[in-house]
Amino acid sequence: RKEVEQDPGPFNVPEGATVAFNCTYSNSASQSFFWYRQDCRKEPKLLMSVYSSGNEDGRFTAQLNRASQYISLLIRDSKLSDSATYLCVVTPKIRDTGRRALTFGSGTRLQVQP
Amino acid sequence: DAGVIQSPRHEVTEMGQEVTLRCKPISGHNSLFWYRQTMMRGLELLIYFNNNVPIDDSGMPEDRFSAKMPNASFSTLKIQPSEPRDSAVYFCASYPLGVPTNEQFFGPGTRLTVL
Repeated sequence: RKEVEQDPGPFNVPEGATVAFNCTYSNSASQSFFWYRQDCRKEPKLLMSVYSSGNEDGRFTAQLNRASQYISLLIRDSKLSDSATYLCVVTPKIRDTGRRALTFGSGTRLQVQP
Repeated sequence: DAGVIQSPRHEVTEMGQEVTLRCKPISGHNSLFWYRQTMMRGLELLIYFNNNVPIDDSGMPEDRFSAKMPNASFSTLKIQPSEPRDSAVYFCASYPLGVPTNEQFFGPGTRLTVL
């Protein structure tokens, strides 16, 4: 079983739609959670961190359910520019000075259509 | 500020040849990571360094792969001999130890094709 699992998609949605991505992780010791975005043939870039209380950044909302080991990303009012692959990312520990590597899901591809 | 710099951006080589990928992390970042991305396996960690010291190389596929970080501003990933199954995009990423940041900064990647 992969450490981080995502539905690969693609999710094809019209502009203005609301779309949600889900992700599950297997390591209960995971402590930090993120969504990264990767455009075609580009490097991944941090979209947002995910906190237990949930957090919102404009049209994007991220939620974490530790009991179910489940992370979600909601995109409201989709734009053409949101078309990309969204990578769910976990890491076991980040608070100490010894940074840990990120564990990436395989990504969910989103295509927003006009 | 310059981001993470990788070279070359593209490499096409023949099976059996040695390949060296290079990375310059962001100045002041003392944690460096090498990842490999393929369609089949997604983004996988190969090795990472903290303060130029390799911390975890369990992701290095086999002895044909080696990585070094001789100083804080330079790292190499070497494949010798290369094989067609090594074809992938290799990313280098960095971030600063001891700073409360969640963001890992990726370079543009090296697209490797082994024929």
